[in-house]
Amino acid sequence: GESVGLHLPTLSVQEGDNSIINCAYSNSASDYFIWYKQESGKGPQFIIDIRSNMDKRQGQRVTVLLNKTVKHLSLQIAATQPGDSAVYFCAENWSNTGKLIFGQGTTLQVKP
Amino acid sequence: DVKVTQSSRYLVKRTGEKVFLECVQDMDHENMFWYRQDPGLGLRLIYFSYDVKMKEKGDIPEGYSVSREKKERFSLILESASTNQTSMYLCASSFDGGSGANVLTFGAGSRLTVL
Repeated sequence: GESVGLHLPTLSVQEGDNSIINCAYSNSASDYFIWYKQESGKGPQFIIDIRSNMDKRQGQRVTVLLNKTVKHLSLQIAATQPGDSAVYFCAENWSNTGKLIFGQGTTLQVKP
Repeated sequence: DVKVTQSSRYLVKRTGEKVFLECVQDMDHENMFWYRQDPGLGLRLIYFSYDVKMKEKGDIPEGYSVSREKKERFSLILESASTNQTSMYLCASSFDGGSGANVLTFGAGSRLTVL
């Protein structure tokens, strides 16, 4: 299809563990990808982005990995904290049009 | 701190009413977007605008129109609201970097219920 998908609607992790949220995209011509975090009652907030000429990009406690061969994107969160509980969306820049296509979202639940 | 402000957080309207959702950004961004968010469907693009008085259809424009008379303001209009337009509406803006999509800054959302 023409949409970005996430493998799991819900992910539950223990506080302090590492989290991995996965995303499969369908358009091999997409050249730019973004991860957003949406907390309850708020709009999505930018976490990290990556361009298609890169395989990996690191931020503070977050890492995004891009595998263009299998069209897969992942977000890794180190030492997950209760404040990381949210819905996470991946988005792709569809064929470099400037139009962002979003996935359905994964809800991350952090258990104390 | 950059900001996208959606004037109404919660609205309740009746079927057939005309609805205006207002969005203002203070970042001098060229691009503005309207998405709707529904459970299990993620964010779907309704309309977007790259400049004043310009508009482009997104993936689900039916039943909606938009207005961009000033750079900072992008309005979403439901000419005749229907129950299937009950949803969370998200406005976003971005700087036009000239190289495809740039990071979107979102507002907090407007939850519309149509009875």
